[in-house]
Amino acid sequence: EIVMTQSPATLSVSPGKRATLSCRASQSVSSNLAWYQQKPGQAPRLLIYGASTRATGIPARFSGSGSGTEFTLTINSLQSEDFAVYYCQQYNNWPPWTFGQGTKVEIK
Amino acid sequence: QVQLQQWGAGLLKPSETLSLTCAVYGGSFSDYYWSWIRQPPGKGLEWIGEINHSGSINYNPSLKSRVTVSVDTSKNQFSLNLSSVTAADTAVYYCARREHCSTTTCYPFDSWGQGTLVTVSS
Repeated sequence: EIVMTQSPATLSVSPGKRATLSCRASQSVSSNLAWYQQKPGQAPRLLIYGASTRATGIPARFSGSGSGTEFTLTINSLQSEDFAVYYCQQYNNWPPWTFGQGTKVEIK
Repeated sequence: QVQLQQWGAGLLKPSETLSLTCAVYGGSFSDYYWSWIRQPPGKGLEWIGEINHSGSINYNPSLKSRVTVSVDTSKNQFSLNLSSVTAADTAVYYCARREHCSTTTCYPFDSWGQGTLVTVSS
């Protein structure tokens, strides 16, 4: 099983600033890495797939990078609606599909 | 625009069987794998298992002995049974879909149900 490790657990950022979230895989997942956003009481929403491709309707301030074992989600100019929990997920090796433990982006 | 609508019992006693169903509205049913994913309160996401329209199934090895996933293609529905539940199975359970893998890549979960909170308590 591939273990996904996200850091930090919590990120405090001021509105309008940039947030940088990290995700590390225990072995290479190539570019088969997705990012999801989850707000309280809601299901996760797909943001990024293929490590760097934005899903339909996702604003350009969200960007992803990386390959192999190291990945980054960058959120530029944080808006109020961006404060949420973000999860990475690998879909390179299965079963099982595995998720990171999440990074909470909170208002500083 | 696909919609996944799920339902099932929300309160169980230890040793009972959890049963949830997810109905798919809109979009193709046959082009996807249909998954169950759970999230304990305040914790992360755990993939449970998946099925496609022809009944091909994959399970998380950690839960395989207690999980059954089934499909009803006549209704575009799929279901989850989790037997012998304990308090550790208390979670929000989601249904979700992912596109079939191609020869070169697989795909993430692009649509999710609304979630069902299942509480296991005596």
